[in-house]
Amino acid sequence: DIQMTQSPSSLSASVGDRVTITCRASQNIDSYLNWYQQRPGTAPRLLIYAASTLHSGDPSRVSGTGSGTDFTLTISSLQPEDFATYYCQQSYNTPYTFGQGTKLEIK
Amino acid sequence: QITLKESGPAVVAPTQTLTLTCSFSGFSLRTSGMAVGWIRQPPGKALEWLALIYWDDDKRYIPSLKNRLAITKDTSKNQVVLTLTNMDPVDTGTYYCARLSWSGLDTFFSPWGQGTLVTVAS
Repeated sequence: DIQMTQSPSSLSASVGDRVTITCRASQNIDSYLNWYQQRPGTAPRLLIYAASTLHSGDPSRVSGTGSGTDFTLTISSLQPEDFATYYCQQSYNTPYTFGQGTKLEIK
Repeated sequence: QITLKESGPAVVAPTQTLTLTCSFSGFSLRTSGMAVGWIRQPPGKALEWLALIYWDDDKRYIPSLKNRLAITKDTSKNQVVLTLTNMDPVDTGTYYCARLSWSGLDTFFSPWGQGTLVTVAS
């Protein structure tokens, strides 16, 4: 199985800040990397697919980069609705593994 | 508009079998490239992918639970059913179904159902 490791596990930031979350795969996954956002008490929703393609309807302040084994999710100018938990997930092969999540909290 | 909704028991006794149904609309599992997956989340923990069924009836399972899981589809009813045998308290959590759009790099789960909380307790 491909292991996905996110860092940090939690992060405190203020409205207006820029934050970066990293995700590392245990082997090369090309650009088969997706990012999901999960707000408390709700289902996850897709943010970014294929490492850098923004899902329709999502704000341009969210961006993703990377390929191979190292990936990043960046949110510029944090808004109140961005405080949530973020998960990366590889779609290179099954089992489609997720990272352990990064909880973004308000400072 | 694509929607999915999970249904099933809220409480299951240890050693019993869990049966969950995902009812969906807005797409068809007869369409090439479509699939439906199940993902679970223990309280306060991370997401764990469990199983997937493709339009051509190909099925994939997480290796650690493969002996306990089964996934089937009823294309006429737009439903996917997941069964998990020999339930244990560690299987407690929210179970989600989600559509998988399978197209090379553009392979992702979206949208997701609202989830259903399953508690294993006697």
